[in-house]
Amino acid sequence: AQSVTQLGSHVSVSEGALVLLRCNYSSSVPPYLFWYVQYPNQGLQLLLKYTSAATLVKGINGFEAEFKKSETSFHLTKPSAHMSDAAEYFCAVSSAGGTSYGKLTFGQGTILTVHP
Amino acid sequence: DTGVSQNPRHKITKRGQNVTFRCDPISEHNRLYWYRQTLGQGPEFLTYFQNEAQLEKSRLLSDRFSAERPKGSFSTLEIQRTEQGDSAMYLCASSPPGPGTSGLSEQYFGPGTRLTVT
Repeated sequence: AQSVTQLGSHVSVSEGALVLLRCNYSSSVPPYLFWYVQYPNQGLQLLLKYTSAATLVKGINGFEAEFKKSETSFHLTKPSAHMSDAAEYFCAVSSAGGTSYGKLTFGQGTILTVHP
Repeated sequence: DTGVSQNPRHKITKRGQNVTFRCDPISEHNRLYWYRQTLGQGPEFLTYFQNEAQLEKSRLLSDRFSAERPKGSFSTLEIQRTEQGDSAMYLCASSPPGPGTSGLSEQYFGPGTRLTVT
């Protein structure tokens, strides 16, 4: 079984400050890890994904995440927050092969607020 | 716009009524997923289609729920005898063909159908 825990349901930062959204996963097989962003009244959009290549993954809009197997973590960071980053962020895990069919298991989400 | 589309975007129904939602995936995508998202939670997997075959159903999908994907194109999700607990956002996602059953392929999500059962 797989699971994802996102630490902090709400994170608030000032514009220009570092963004750090935390994600820890549990998986009995090597995982594929994803970060999605959801703006109000819109579907989820992929920010980045880890698929066992480089452990530091760069995504869209200046976001990046580092896969740390020893810590079972995949935290999302951005050096400088922008007002347009305000949204809800979801970490998700899937696995290769077997009967997983690529289905995603999501965390509970973290709402990011950016203050001017 | 060639993204995933879902209709209707909003549905309000009375308890006990049947509802049907439609998802149109990106045309070349053979994989289609349904998820349910309740307030304050992440999406939860409901069911998966590869072409027209429904290959997996979550235990969340009670007997009142049925999904189809005739001819491997659009998909419908029907809820019979709706209950207030069915109120949620229903999300559809599609992904292109990938190696075997791997989870490597990105899933593209539609805007969702918000169901309110009164």
